[in-house]
Amino acid sequence: AQRVTQPEKLLSVFKGAPVELKCNYSYSGSPELFWYVQYSRQRLQLLLRHISRESIKGFTADLNKGETSFHLKKPFAQEEDSAMYYCALSGPRGSTLGRLYFGRGTQLTVWP
Amino acid sequence: SAVISQKPSRDICQRGTSLTIQCQVDSQVTMMFWYRQQPGQSLTLIATANQGSEATYESGFVIDKFPISRPNLTFSTLTVSNMSPEDSSIYLCSVGGTGSEQFFGPGTRLTVL
Repeated sequence: AQRVTQPEKLLSVFKGAPVELKCNYSYSGSPELFWYVQYSRQRLQLLLRHISRESIKGFTADLNKGETSFHLKKPFAQEEDSAMYYCALSGPRGSTLGRLYFGRGTQLTVWP
Repeated sequence: SAVISQKPSRDICQRGTSLTIQCQVDSQVTMMFWYRQQPGQSLTLIATANQGSEATYESGFVIDKFPISRPNLTFSTLTVSNMSPEDSSIYLCSVGGTGSEQFFGPGTRLTVL
């Protein structure tokens, strides 16, 4: 069964410190993984998708199929990074009718 | 990405009544989705709504409780029927992107007294 696990409900770091938000998944196949972010009083927005292998706002995430992980990392956290982060999984396009499976989210707080 | 709006943004309703939430997209999309986000919890998919076909509901959600309409490629509604306090939640619509990603509306915050 498809499952996304974010082990940390809350994560706090100081400004300038590295941050890593963990995400593990289970999926029998080749999933697509995403990170979504929700800033206070804003809508949920797509941050990263693994197939793009991009860096957005200094964040990167690498899909590790051996460890079934897709951790989100940033070397130097900023106060404006404080938000709720959700890891999400989708089957390959067309295989699961486009649905996403979400983790429970990690609330990141970056202290000044 | 598509621009998605929802109405109402929030509402407070009495037990036993129904509320219809509207989702409008600024471009034609094939797939629209409705999610629920209960307090302190993650997003749970309620149903997938494709234009021209019946909505597909996830386990635990039924059409009588959450009827959905999808009259065209830019609009959908979700009705929360015979509400109880347990239905207090944020309801979100989303649309599929060019890949497997989705883009979300701002949500409707529902409180049932």
